[in-house]
Formats: sequence, C-alpha cells, structure tokens
Amino acid sequence: DARVTQTPRDKVTEMGQEVTMRCQPILGHNTVFWYRQTMMQGLELLAYFRNRAPLDDSGMPKDRFSAEMPDATLATLKIQPSEPRDSAVYFCASGLVLAGVNETQYFGPGTRLLVL
Amino acid sequence: GDSVTQMEGPVTLSEEAFLTINCTYTATGYPSLFWYVQYPGEGLQLLLKATKADDKGSNKGFEATYRKETTSFHLEKGSVQVSDSAVYFCALRMDSSYKLIFGSGTRLLVRP
Repeated sequence: DARVTQTPRDKVTEMGQEVTMRCQPILGHNTVFWYRQTMMQGLELLAYFRNRAPLDDSGMPKDRFSAEMPDATLATLKIQPSEPRDSAVYFCASGLVLAGVNETQYFGPGTRLLVL
Repeated sequence: GDSVTQMEGPVTLSEEAFLTINCTYTATGYPSLFWYVQYPGEGLQLLLKATKADDKGSNKGFEATYRKETTSFHLEKGSVQVSDSAVYFCALRMDSSYKLIFGSGTRLLVRP
C-alpha cells in the first residue's frame, strides 16, 4: 500500500530556530505539493513541484520559507528563522500528471509544528 | 476567483442517521469536484470525485452528485457510523490546473 511519508510527525521549537520538514512522495509520482493547515486560514497551497522543478511557490513567504526536491524520493520544506505564526500542520501530497491530466493527490500524515 | 463554500460545522448526528453536508462552488468553467476526509491526526484522503455534470461519485456508502444547474456537490450518506466522525472537505480543480481549491471543512461527530 503506497503512501506519502512525512517526518517528523511533531516538532516543537523555539522562535528563531531552523525547521526542516521532509516528505517522501509515492514512488513513480511526478508532482509534489506542500500545504499548510491552520484553524484560521484552512488549507493553503505553499508550493508545487513537477518532475522536481518548482512551478509554483507563490503561496510561500519567500523571506523565510524554502522548498526543494534534491531527488525524486525527497522533498523538503525549510523555515529559517521560524516564528510563532508558523505554527500549523504542514502536509505534503504527491500525484501524477499523465498526458497533461492531473490525477488524484495523495496526502501524507502531516508534520505538526509548534513554534514557541 | 474560483471558490468552494461548505456548511459550517460541527454536524452532530446519532448513529444510523442520514447525513447531508452541503457544498457549493463558484468557478469560471467546468471543474472537477472532490470530497476529501480527514480523520483525527491524519492527512486528507480522497473520498470520492466527479469530473462532469450529472456524474455521481460514490465510496464507502457516501455519494455526491455534480449539479451544474445549482453549482453544488452535496455529500450524503444514508446511515452514518461512529467511525465516520471526521472533517470533510469539498474541493474543486479546473481541468487545466493542478490547484485544488478547498472549502473550509465540516466537522462531523457521530454519537453512538
């Protein structure tokens, strides 16, 4: 049963510290999404990768957030420096684009981040 | 812009009751429509989808019909179980886009 995995599942850190979240997409998928979920804003798309290339990061605060895919099996989302307002659940999702058609997105279990 | 509106929760039902969660959308074209479910402490899972008008998506006893005339995609289940307690998200995606646009989510609580 192929699944998207994310680490860590929970992270508590202090303001100003660097936070790195990792995601392993489902093998064979060529798209990766990063979402942030908060009570106030709901689900927000932060970044979108296709074939490891960042195609859309318009939802991401550029000054402190960065997203990369060093290889097809790993996507990372980094916050430096972290702030209390970054506290949220961060989800990674992966999917497949075939012949220009976007298939279903499969979500990971999320990383719950608390910045004190 | 394109958007999704869901009924506010929480929705509290007794086991075996009939469920309806309303979802309406605004879109410039003809989107694909989705229902996702999020169980406590987990990520979102696709529950069902419909890609064109009058299509009915169904899964695990849940159903939703794509109604173009009312721009709606209401989720229904004839008899809910305690295990259905979760947050349900309605979403749309335009065919030419990769972006899922989510509603705010509706929490369902089913009591024994």
